Amino acid sequence: NAGVTQTPKFQVLKTGQSMTLQCAQDMNHEYMSWYRQDPGMGLRLIHYSVGAGITDQGEVPNGYNVSRSTTEDFPLRLLSAAPSQTSVYFCASSSRDSTYEQYFGPGTRLTVT
Amino acid sequence: GQQVMQIPQYQHVQEGEDFTTYCNSSTTLSNIQWYKQRPGGHPVFLIQLVKSGEVKKQKRLTFQFGEAKKNSSLHITATQTTDVGTYFCAGPPYGNNRLAFGKGNQVVVIP
Repeated sequence: NAGVTQTPKFQVLKTGQSMTLQCAQDMNHEYMSWYRQDPGMGLRLIHYSVGAGITDQGEVPNGYNVSRSTTEDFPLRLLSAAPSQTSVYFCASSSRDSTYEQYFGPGTRLTVT
Repeated sequence: GQQVMQIPQYQHVQEGEDFTTYCNSSTTLSNIQWYKQRPGGHPVFLIQLVKSGEVKKQKRLTFQFGEAKKNSSLHITATQTTDVGTYFCAGPPYGNNRLAFGKGNQVVVIP
């Protein structure tokens, strides 16, 4: 199993550009989440999904959209990038069967200039 | 507001010494999870505690869940350079599928 994969690893955007961060998991986990990590702020939940077709907002959802058309994929869309969205983004998946242990992807380091 | 709080946020520890990091929640948690993130890496699950007063050990690491299920601690003995990293606690104040993470305890080990 590849676990949780994320692409790209690094990305530089100009203010106002849009892009999609990709996340995929091959563990058949029902739950998937997106976090952003900023220095001194820990991991903050952006959006999460409890299954295909179901998504909900987390702690910091503004400026981001998600969709979950399949169990495997959970892309995160930045609609109009802003410098405040410069961060490291982690995707994670979990399952009731594994007591909700979060499996994290390697992360995407995003810089918005 | 912040649901899960960690103290301290930073620690410098001499190699060979012991240290403890603490996690407190403003609400009762059904469980608490601990993660470790090495510099430049992603968080990796260490353990989950479920029962009130539960204590679990992993080699030099001892995890404890408070009696009221609102606090937890991680104690590391005989610190090694491999212990460097940031330790996060996380709990589900909103339901098991949605975790709230603390800000982490960044540990630097002095050889």
